Amino acid sequence: AQSVSQHNHHVILSEAASLELGCNYSYGGTVNLFWYVQYPGQHLQLLLKYFSGDPLVKGIKGFEAEFIKSKFSFNLRKPSVQWSVTAEFFCAVNRAGTASKLTFGTGTRLQVTL
Amino acid sequence: NAGVTQTPKFQVLKTGQSMTLQCAQDMNHEYMSWYRQDPGMGLRLIHYSVGAGITDQGEVPNGYNVSRSTTEDFPLRLLSAAPSQTSVYFCASSYSMAGGPHEQYFGPGTRLTVT
Repeated sequence: AQSVSQHNHHVILSEAASLELGCNYSYGGTVNLFWYVQYPGQHLQLLLKYFSGDPLVKGIKGFEAEFIKSKFSFNLRKPSVQWSVTAEFFCAVNRAGTASKLTFGTGTRLQVTL
Repeated sequence: NAGVTQTPKFQVLKTGQSMTLQCAQDMNHEYMSWYRQDPGMGLRLIHYSVGAGITDQGEVPNGYNVSRSTTEDFPLRLLSAAPSQTSVYFCASSYSMAGGPHEQYFGPGTRLTVT
């Protein structure tokens, strides 16, 4: 079975700092990769996704992620964070062709201070 | 489109009680799933369905039942509630697209407390 690791459980950044959140997965086959964000009290929203093609994926709100197959990684980046970015971020993976069985990481709580 | 809707938003149960969490989607998605979210554990898959009449177990199915009689609805039943089932429950749906990433659309969640 696949698994997802998010090594940073809680990240605190100052506004305007750059962000990078790590995500590693374990599965040897073809996968689809996702980053979701959950703002306080809200449901999960899709930030970006990767399934094939250019390994550098751009998503909403200025987020991007890079898929490095050799490292089984899909790290999320943002050049400059705003206070409104305070949220919890989840990396998720499913095997290509298994639409329902999404495996999530434990999440990274991002706190942006003014 | 309303997307994925869940009712109720909040629920308090006593140990041993049963209840059904409702989930509906109006996007004609084939796939539907139930997850629970617990602090420090991310989201874990409870049950999922690949179409009407077809369901299967996820990572943490014990204590929960599901059925899928229509494409739109996917209720989650707690047979005999236990404090360990205190959690936030999310329903999600996704579509089938050949070669595609099958992104999931999430409902607003149901916060359940079992005392």
